[in-house]
Amino acid sequence: NAGVTQTPKFQVLKTGQSMTLQCAQDMNHNSMYWYRQDPGMGLRLIYYSASEGTTDKGEVPNGYNVSRLNKREFSLRLESAAPSQTSVYFCASKLLGENTGELFFGEGSRLTVL
Amino acid sequence: AQSVAQPEDQVNVAEGNPLTVKCTYSVSGNPYLFWYVQYPNRGLQFLLKYITGDNLVKGSYGFEAEFNKSQTSFHLKKPSALVSDSALYFCAVRSGGYQKVTFGIGTKLQVIP
Repeated sequence: NAGVTQTPKFQVLKTGQSMTLQCAQDMNHNSMYWYRQDPGMGLRLIYYSASEGTTDKGEVPNGYNVSRLNKREFSLRLESAAPSQTSVYFCASKLLGENTGELFFGEGSRLTVL
Repeated sequence: AQSVAQPEDQVNVAEGNPLTVKCTYSVSGNPYLFWYVQYPNRGLQFLLKYITGDNLVKGSYGFEAEFNKSQTSFHLKKPSALVSDSALYFCAVRSGGYQKVTFGIGTKLQVIP
């Protein structure tokens, strides 16, 4: 199993450009998440999807949009990139159940906005 | 709102000594608590969790953590540190019945040979 796969792994954008980060999981998980990691800030939740057909804002949603395309895929879109969105982005997934709950992470997507 | 505090940016410990990485939390409802580890240029890996039951939980690589409800803490411990334990450690929380997972800022563990 591949687990959680993120593409691209690296991307350089100019201010104002748009792009989409793709995430797919093959573990039949219900919930999916997008986080960003910045030095000294830890992981901050951008958006999450508790189950197929639902999405909710996290702590830092401004400047981002998401699409839960199906149960496997959850994409993150930057409509007009800004230097403040330079970060490492992580997608994660988990089963929907009270006795489960650990997240499975992708390897990250490193985005630089010039 | 739920939150996690990891009061130490970095913890240094000599190889073979016990280690503790601290975590306190704030959440409405029953807390579900987690520890993750991150090695350089990698995604996070799950170490252990507390959902319910015994307050002392054991996880991967010899790590354990103790849930203390009165102190709202979930400190990560290991009896004897290895150089290979050097990494970034994250504590996380969610409230039972909800799917939002909140992380702390992380603690860098440095094990000195």
